[in-house]
Amino acid sequence: AQSVTQLGSHVSVSEGALVLLRCNYSSSVPPYLFWYVQYPNQGLQLLLKYTSAATLVKGINGFEAEFKKSETSFHLTKPSAHMSDAAEYFCAVSASLTGGGNKLTFGTGTQLKVEL
Amino acid sequence: EPEVTQTPSHQVTQMGQEVILRCVPISNHLYFYWYRQILGQKVEFLVSFYNNEISEKSEIFDDQFSVERPDGSNFTLKIRSTKLEDSAMYFCASSVNGDSPLHFGNGTRLTVT
Repeated sequence: AQSVTQLGSHVSVSEGALVLLRCNYSSSVPPYLFWYVQYPNQGLQLLLKYTSAATLVKGINGFEAEFKKSETSFHLTKPSAHMSDAAEYFCAVSASLTGGGNKLTFGTGTQLKVEL
Repeated sequence: EPEVTQTPSHQVTQMGQEVILRCVPISNHLYFYWYRQILGQKVEFLVSFYNNEISEKSEIFDDQFSVERPDGSNFTLKIRSTKLEDSAMYFCASSVNGDSPLHFGNGTRLTVT
């Protein structure tokens, strides 16, 4: 079974500071990994995805994540936080379904707070 | 950019009542999903749907739940007899093919009283 663990349910950073949101995965097969963001009262928006190509993945809004197999990690970073980055961030791992499609298993989420 | 749309945004119902949550997936997508998020908990997979049938369902998706694609555009989730513990945000998602990322709607907040 696949799973992801997000360390830190709440992270607070100052505007302009580095954002680091941690995600570790467990998978018996090479994983597909994703980061989604959820703004208040909105759905889940895809930030970026890792699908076994480049290990450093760039996403929207200046975010990027690095796949490290040796550490089973897929941490999300952004060099300089902006107030608009305040949201909940979810790491997810994907498993293909024999009947078609893929199933995402989400982490518990990390609420990012950006302070002036 | 095309979006997954869900209606209503908020539904309040009494315990034991039937509810239907509606979704319009992105038009060229072939795979459809329902997920739910109970307040304060993680987003959980409920069911996936492809080629007019369920391809997988979780243990949460018991006989009280059903999905349907009644026409070429809508994808619905029905809860036959709601319980208090069904209160959650329900997200619909769709993907172009089996390997592509899921696109989520804004969700329907279901409150069972």
